[in-house]
Amino acid sequence: EVQLVESGGGLVQPGGSLRLSCAASGFTFSNYEMNWVRQAPGKGLEWVSFISSGDRTTYYADSVKGRFTISRDNAKNSLYLQMSSLRAEDTAVYYCARAAGDSTYGWGYFDYWGQGSLVTVSS
Amino acid sequence: QLVLTQSPSASASLGASVKLTCTLSSRHSTYAIAWHRQRPEKGPRYLMKLNNDGSHIRGDGIPDRFSGSSSGAARYLTISSLQSEDEADYYCQTWVTGSRVFGGGTKLTVL
Repeated sequence: EVQLVESGGGLVQPGGSLRLSCAASGFTFSNYEMNWVRQAPGKGLEWVSFISSGDRTTYYADSVKGRFTISRDNAKNSLYLQMSSLRAEDTAVYYCARAAGDSTYGWGYFDYWGQGSLVTVSS
Repeated sequence: QLVLTQSPSASASLGASVKLTCTLSSRHSTYAIAWHRQRPEKGPRYLMKLNNDGSHIRGDGIPDRFSGSSSGAARYLTISSLQSEDEADYYCQTWVTGSRVFGGGTKLTVL
């Protein structure tokens, strides 16, 4: 059974930093590209970041570019999101999501999601 | 700019069928999308990938009362034999190299 379990969320002051983790199990983590997606309170889903299976390619939403860094440790079956210079508008539940797709059209959608980790940015 | 447009809300009666719509920006009318469901206070769940020709691949454990279809830039999710647990937010999602995009979501109420 595929499982994605996020951790590391909490309350942080504006301008502060936080590192989210996502522990993966039930599949060969190193073979899959991964993403972070967030959802502000009462709002819709917003894609945040993508990382390729081999860790060589990363993408970011404009709203977090230069402040967030996605990474992975395939030996530990783990995905990370290092968040810095946090703002109130970064307050959200953060989900890790496994990428799905094919070599022709790309691995652009998400076939498994975690349960989320809440990040609150407030003084 | 790649944009997905969804109606904010929809409603249908228990046991009936409902068809939700997601419209791609006109320049991107041939793109495939994915549908995701989010029940209240829960994480999202993948429902299906829907191609331009209407072919679709349901996620693990998703029953066949969930189906997809396409017409031009519109992508549809049809849910038949509505059950109370189908009351949820439904999001469509697509992608280009370097970006993934969600629609604003449709809140489905089962009457």
